[in-house]
Amino acid sequence: QKEVEQNSGPLSVPEGAIASLNCTYSDRGSQSFFWYRQYSGKSPELIMSIYSNGDKEDGRFTAQLNKASQYVSLLIRDSQPSDSATYLCAVNRNNNDMRFGAGTRLTVKP
Amino acid sequence: GAGVSQSPRYKVAKRGQDVALRCDPISGHVSLFWYQQALGQGPEFLTYFQNEAQLDKSGLPSDRFFAERPEGSVSTLKIQRTQQEDSAVYLCASSLVGLAGSNFGPGTRLTVT
Repeated sequence: QKEVEQNSGPLSVPEGAIASLNCTYSDRGSQSFFWYRQYSGKSPELIMSIYSNGDKEDGRFTAQLNKASQYVSLLIRDSQPSDSATYLCAVNRNNNDMRFGAGTRLTVKP
Repeated sequence: GAGVSQSPRYKVAKRGQDVALRCDPISGHVSLFWYQQALGQGPEFLTYFQNEAQLDKSGLPSDRFFAERPEGSVSTLKIQRTQQEDSAVYLCASSLVGLAGSNFGPGTRLTVT
């Protein structure tokens, strides 16, 4: 079992819809959770971090964490074509060690 | 201010050659991380420095991989006797202590032929 699992996609949504990206992790001791966006040929860009159970909203993005289920998700409201990218879930086991999922490729169609 | 920079951006090496990849972190960032990202995969942790100390090298895939950060700033990842499976993008990230991996450099794309 991989430490961080994501559906590889591709996930396709129409412009204006909600995109829902999911991630599960195996280490119950994980402390913090991150979503990165990576455009093709570019480096990952941090878009959200979440540390406690519940929802965290930032603009069109909402991260959701459920530590009991070892599940973290990212919702993108009012999806735009510019949101088309690969979204990487990352889990921090301690301050030194971040593990990434393989990423979910999102396409937002105009 | 300037972000994390890496050089070269692209490197083609013949199998068996040694390569050296450089990372210039954001000034003042204590923590520095190296990751390897194969095509279609997420970044895989290689090693971590806090200042000049290499605190974790558990992700280095073999003893052909070596990293250093002698003065606690610039870091070099060296790969000896490169193999085709070493072809990947090598990402460097720096952060203030306790904020792992939040600032990535542009990466070095290594192709071993």
